[in-house]
Parts: sequence; C-alpha cells; structure tokens
Amino acid sequence: EVQLVESGGGLVQPGGSLRLSCAASGFTVSSNFMSWVRQAPGKGLEWVSVIYSGGSTYYADSVKGRFTISRDNSRNTLYLQMNSLRVEDTAVYYCAREEGRGVVSPYFDLWGRGTLVTVSS
Amino acid sequence: QSVLTQPPSASGTPGQRVTISCSGSSSNIGTNTVNWYQQLPGTAPKLLVYSNDRRPSGVPDRFSGSKSGTSASLAISGLQSEDEADYYCAAWDVRPNALVFGGGTKLTVL
Repeated sequence: EVQLVESGGGLVQPGGSLRLSCAASGFTVSSNFMSWVRQAPGKGLEWVSVIYSGGSTYYADSVKGRFTISRDNSRNTLYLQMNSLRVEDTAVYYCAREEGRGVVSPYFDLWGRGTLVTVSS
Repeated sequence: QSVLTQPPSASGTPGQRVTISCSGSSSNIGTNTVNWYQQLPGTAPKLLVYSNDRRPSGVPDRFSGSKSGTSASLAISGLQSEDEADYYCAAWDVRPNALVFGGGTKLTVL
C-alpha cells in the first residue's frame, strides 16, 4: 500500500528542538519531490519545506535557518529537524509527495495523517 | 492573512450546485495553475483538482475546477452530505517564489 506515516510530534518548550519522521511505503522517497506542510490549530495550510529528488532543499521564509529537511534513502524516510522552535510553530505537520514542480504549480497527491507539534512553556 | 483569498464559508442543500472562489494576483494565479484540496473533518487534506481543471483518479466528476485571469473556482454539483468539508486552493507564487494557499472555505451541506 502506498502511504506516508509521520511521527515525532509532541510538546516542546520555546527555543527547543524536535525531529519529525515520515516513513514511506509503496514508493521510493528519493525518486520523488517530498514536502512538509503544516496547519496551525483551526487555521489554513502552509507549505514549509521541500526536498527534490536530486537533493536540493528549499524552505518557507518563516522557517528558513531553523528547520532542516532531509531523507534517509536506506530507510525510505523523510525528516524535518526543527530547531529554535517558537509558539507560532505549533501545528499539525504533514508530509506529502509532490508532483508538477517546475512545470505547473506543484501539487500534493499523497499525504500522511500528520503529527501534532505543540510549542509551549 | 492568506495570499489567495477564499470566502470563509459556503453552503448548499443536497443536490444543489455550489461554487467556491479563489482570488489571487498576477504573481500567482495569473501566471500559474491552481490546485484544490478537500479536508474532511479530522483528516489530512486530499487532492481534488490539479492544474486548474484536472481530477486525480477516483475523484468524482461532480467536482470541477476552472481558472480565468487571476481567479479560480471550484464547482461541486449534485451536492452530497459527505461533501461537507474545508476546501483550499493553492498556486505557485513568483513572489516569494513559493507555494501559497488560500485561507480555506468551510462548506456546509444544509
């Protein structure tokens, strides 16, 4: 079955760190563009970061310099290392498989169920 | 405040046709394609329409997308109770060179 399963969310204090994981099955992470998208409680969707199949990475301005996206090809898993966390980073974080980038507006054809990150003292 | 503007709410009765709008600018919808997502309560978003008017396999043809100028629309015909969800539009924006979303529209089936 083709699916994505996130883990690693939880409660962390402002200034703290957390690493999210996204295990993929049924397809190869390294052959695809993979993104993280977040959704603050009761709010809309916000794209966070992407890693290209070739390894290039890009970030939203709101997380640039604090978050790092990476992948482990042997584990077929995507990661998001989040440092210097702020209260406003509180959200459900989804990993998603991306299509179309560079040709059309990129779209996400496969989503995980998400993992909740709460930043609070 | 979202870059793409959607009405916060929409409603309709079963069987009715409902349209949800998404307004942008020349830097996003005006020059790039639009995608639509459906988010049922408590679940992850699901791709509904991509590249303005294409439906992924498995999405009923009751859902259709269109684009004109700097605006896009999602139409749902033959409204059903299971269509009650949040709907989001998205498009690439050359300024800030990132994917941007609309604020979402909550659809209520009366």
